[in-house]
Amino acid sequence: EPEVTQTPSHQVTQMGQEVILRCVPISNHLYFYWYRQILGQKVEFLVSFYNNEISEKSEIFDDQFSVERPDGSNFTLKIRSTKLEDSAMYFCASSEQGGNTEAFFGQGTRLTVV
Amino acid sequence: GENVEQHPSTLSVQEGDSAVIKCTYSDSASNYFPWYKQELGKGPQLIIDIRSNVGEKKDQRIAVTLNKTAKHFSLHITETQPEDSAVYFCAVLSGGGADGLTFGKGTHLIIQP
Repeated sequence: EPEVTQTPSHQVTQMGQEVILRCVPISNHLYFYWYRQILGQKVEFLVSFYNNEISEKSEIFDDQFSVERPDGSNFTLKIRSTKLEDSAMYFCASSEQGGNTEAFFGQGTRLTVV
Repeated sequence: GENVEQHPSTLSVQEGDSAVIKCTYSDSASNYFPWYKQELGKGPQLIIDIRSNVGEKKDQRIAVTLNKTAKHFSLHITETQPEDSAVYFCAVLSGGGADGLTFGKGTHLIIQP
């Protein structure tokens, strides 16, 4: 069964450093997403990406964040100058058609900022 | 923006009994309502979804009901089994061309043997 894969599974970084979280969406999917989940809290939408551009972003997704599809398979989330409060699970998701169609989630990357 | 409330936060049921989890939402234009199951250390996995033109949907032991007038929807799990123990999240896709799901806070379902 096709799946969304994320690397690394766990990333520890110093406060103020930049991190890049990587995702390989399902190959025939066209819509890509990043969500985050702070420990013990709900999953929160960050950004959606379609046709090589951001289609929607939440209030959380400020200038500290950026996304990129550098090639035909990877989808990345960059966090510049990480803060302690960026510590969370970051989930990548993809869907075939966007909108009200099923979004498949990856296993997540646990980001710990120290 | 969309506001999604989910209850209860924890639900403990005896194996074989039914479990019901409820969510309410605020945006009457919302049109897609998925339910996700999250096991420890894993990402959310879709278990069932319903669209705004349908009132009920069933898949084996799992069913979802939607009341658009009251703006609430519920997950029903019958004949619960130990492997149903997990955190369940409801989610809502707002109308107006939104892409991102708004999630509830989750329900920790515990199946007692």
